[in-house]
Amino acid sequence: DAGVIQSPRHEVTEMGQEVTLRCKPISGHDYLFWYRQTMMRGLELLIYFNNNVPIDDSGMPEDRFSAKMPNASFSTLKIQPSEPRDSAVYFCASSLWEREQFFGPGTRLTVL
Amino acid sequence: GENVEQHPSTLSVQEGDSAVIKCTYSDSASNYFPWYKQELGKRPQLIIDIRSNVGEKKDQRIAVTLNKTAKHFSLHITETQPEDSAVYFCAANRDDKIIFGKGTRLHILP
Repeated sequence: DAGVIQSPRHEVTEMGQEVTLRCKPISGHDYLFWYRQTMMRGLELLIYFNNNVPIDDSGMPEDRFSAKMPNASFSTLKIQPSEPRDSAVYFCASSLWEREQFFGPGTRLTVL
Repeated sequence: GENVEQHPSTLSVQEGDSAVIKCTYSDSASNYFPWYKQELGKRPQLIIDIRSNVGEKKDQRIAVTLNKTAKHFSLHITETQPEDSAVYFCAANRDDKIIFGKGTRLHILP
């Protein structure tokens, strides 16, 4: 397996633009997690899915953020409209129940 | 909800010496405690984990201890090497998710 795949690896956009981050989990994993990492706030859980169903989105900072998982092999995290304070590294991770989370390489987002 | 506190935030040790990172958690229902290592510019990767039915686990130069009564767990790295330089995160589970500490930046001095 190629591991968790994320795209794009880097994204630079202007304030107000829509940003879509993509994730392909490891085949067979039934949990998918979206994290945001910044120096100030560390590694924050934004939302997670179990069997494609969102279970806990309490970490989503505000209504500008949304996430979907239309099938077991694909998830998106969308920010609309984006703001400079959204600049961070966004990680996707997948796992089996109560097992190791495998992280993707991350997407480094810069909002100008 | 679960809260995981980690200290120190930065740690410098001489190569060959030991390093200890400590964490506390708040949710007595937590029973899974993983440790992740993140090298500069890379993704976090699991290095060791422990479940609440054991008090200690060791893997070569790395060991983790757990005190459920005190809600403390610690990472011990012996005979540190330059490649141990990284940020280390402790974590504790709550329901189906894990909550991470803020991380410890470990510097190995030559």
